[in-house]
Amino acid sequence: AQSVTQPDIHITVSEGASLELRCNYSYGATPYLFWYVQSPGQGLQLLLKYFSGDTLVQGIKGFEAEFKRSQSSFNLRKPSVHWSDAAEYFCAVGRNRDDKIIFGKGTRLHILP
Amino acid sequence: DAMVIQNPRYQVTQFGKPVTLSCSQTLNHNVMYWYQQKSSQAPKLLFHYYDKDFNNEADTPDNFQSRRPNTSFCFLDIRSPGLGDAAMYLCATRDSRFYEQYFGPGTRLTVT
Repeated sequence: AQSVTQPDIHITVSEGASLELRCNYSYGATPYLFWYVQSPGQGLQLLLKYFSGDTLVQGIKGFEAEFKRSQSSFNLRKPSVHWSDAAEYFCAVGRNRDDKIIFGKGTRLHILP
Repeated sequence: DAMVIQNPRYQVTQFGKPVTLSCSQTLNHNVMYWYQQKSSQAPKLLFHYYDKDFNNEADTPDNFQSRRPNTSFCFLDIRSPGLGDAAMYLCATRDSRFYEQYFGPGTRLTVT
């Protein structure tokens, strides 16, 4: 069965430090991968997506993610975090046989001043 | 700007009193979704519409119903809310030619 694992429930980084959020997926076919961000009390905003092609994808707000098929990973990175990046981050995989996406359980990012 | 709108943003209802949440979109997407999200959890898909075709998740309680009168609007009806139905309800849309979903800001439902 398809699944998405985000091994870190909470991550704390200092403002200005680099960030990497981990995501591993289990999916038999070519995955469609997403990262969403959710600020408190808000809906989910799409940060970036991967369907095919270049395995390093750029997103909004200075985020990027790298697809590594050999590791079944799609980790999210940012070279320098800002206090406004504090939020919940969800990795998700889309299934091309139906209309659904499967979310990981999320990683809550805390920023130290 | 094209967007997904949810009203109201906050809804308080009494135990057992029917409530309706609404979602509208200006993206002209043909697929619309309703999710339930409880605190510190991932969104849980309740059902979705592919055009006019309704698709219910197997574990969605019968207490939850949905209507989609046209492309732009979709409603979530909770017939007899229980305390366990207190949650954030998220609407999302998708163009069926693509895979990404676009979310509204959500409606926070409180059941007293």
